[in-house]
Amino acid sequence: DQQVKQNSPSLSVQEGRISILNCDYTNSMFDYFLWYKKYPAEGPTFLISISSIKDKNEDGRFTVFLNKSAKHLSLHIVPSQPGDSAVYFCAASGWVPNAGKSTFGDGTTLTVKP
Amino acid sequence: KAGVTQTPRYLIKTRGQQVTLSCSPISGHRSVSWYQQTPGQGLQFLFEYFSETQRNKGNFPGRFSGRQFSNSRSEMNVSTLELGDSALYLCASSLQGAKDQPQHFGDGTRLSIL
Repeated sequence: DQQVKQNSPSLSVQEGRISILNCDYTNSMFDYFLWYKKYPAEGPTFLISISSIKDKNEDGRFTVFLNKSAKHLSLHIVPSQPGDSAVYFCAASGWVPNAGKSTFGDGTTLTVKP
Repeated sequence: KAGVTQTPRYLIKTRGQQVTLSCSPISGHRSVSWYQQTPGQGLQFLFEYFSETQRNKGNFPGRFSGRQFSNSRSEMNVSTLELGDSALYLCASSLQGAKDQPQHFGDGTRLSIL
């Protein structure tokens, strides 16, 4: 039972355009969501997060949107740059008893073409 | 500030052997989590340690175990290795493992079972 799903294994966009990465979750106990970016041969690095009390969080070119009723979140990258090419993981966490544990999706490989 | 350090980076073992992986968290971080990543898969949670105690555990067999030392360094052990254990093992640390504290990942140990 996969509780966090990223249904698109890959996404290709042109440099300068918008990239939209999607994530769905099933567990209503999740109330904090994070996005991580992973380059080959490196560990994931934190990108942006959002609490369930918000529906949007923005950090520079990156914006995360949360739709709690649909149990859906998305990451928007505007404008996309070639250096954004990486695997993006959506992660979800909740409070006790799952403190310290994040549930990850399978990732979406983003390719930004020059 | 030094990041999360995992050793070794690469390891080759044969079926039936056992292996120990090491993780040094960021200084001051008390929560250490371990994840397994197989090709095309997301990060599967193994366990989390906080103050030398296992606080959370994923759905992995008892062959997978871990521990944490008083300096927060952590080790993960896998006994009776199977071919399916071939994966990238990632360690992540955070201050206290709270849901709103992003995890800092090491670059992983690539384990290959022959």
